[in-house]
Amino acid sequence: GAVVSQHPSRVICKSGTSVKIECRSLDFQATTMFWYRQFPKQSLMLMATSNEGSKATYEQGVEKDKFLINHASLTLSTLTVTSAHPEDSSFYICSARGGTGNGAFFGQGTRLTVV
Amino acid sequence: SQKIEQNSEALNIQEGKTATLTCNYTNYSPAYLQWYRQDPGRGPVFLLLIRENEKEKRKERLKVTFDTTLKQSLFHITASQPADSATYLCALGNYGGSQGNLIFGKGTKLSVKP
Repeated sequence: GAVVSQHPSRVICKSGTSVKIECRSLDFQATTMFWYRQFPKQSLMLMATSNEGSKATYEQGVEKDKFLINHASLTLSTLTVTSAHPEDSSFYICSARGGTGNGAFFGQGTRLTVV
Repeated sequence: SQKIEQNSEALNIQEGKTATLTCNYTNYSPAYLQWYRQDPGRGPVFLLLIRENEKEKRKERLKVTFDTTLKQSLFHITASQPADSATYLCALGNYGGSQGNLIFGKGTKLSVKP
């Protein structure tokens, strides 16, 4: 099956710094990738849709200037959390479209802790 | 607003028994429903998809039902094993839109005791 690789799996950063998370489709081309955030015991919440070669589409309430998304190639999308604050601490997950009749392929997730 | 509920936050069963997880939804007419498995600190892994015109789907020890009248899906794991212990998520979606239209439940944490 298709593989989506996400890196890093864990990151701890200081308040005010920026963190970049990478999401790669290893054996297929993904024109669209999705970024989710998940708080403990909560459901996955879609943050934004990343489109190759164009601007990302953000969900309501998600600050586009804080969560920068770049989808420069068909196999790589990045999410940069800028000026991170402790409340940004969460589990961030990317996914790629699985096609009609298929489920979504998710990355391993990134545990971000802002101290 | 659209709402999806997995009725149990946690479910504990004995090895060998059948685990049954429930997913209910309101204010939505999905074209399909999916079930995922999520282990701690990991991303979800796709298990099964069932379409609105399908009543039941099976895959090995897994069985999913979909009742669009009751707005409910049941997810069964037969002959459960400790390795089945994980959080199971249901998700609703429609064709024509992006996969970002998937709406996820909070999940049910299944613990299978030996």
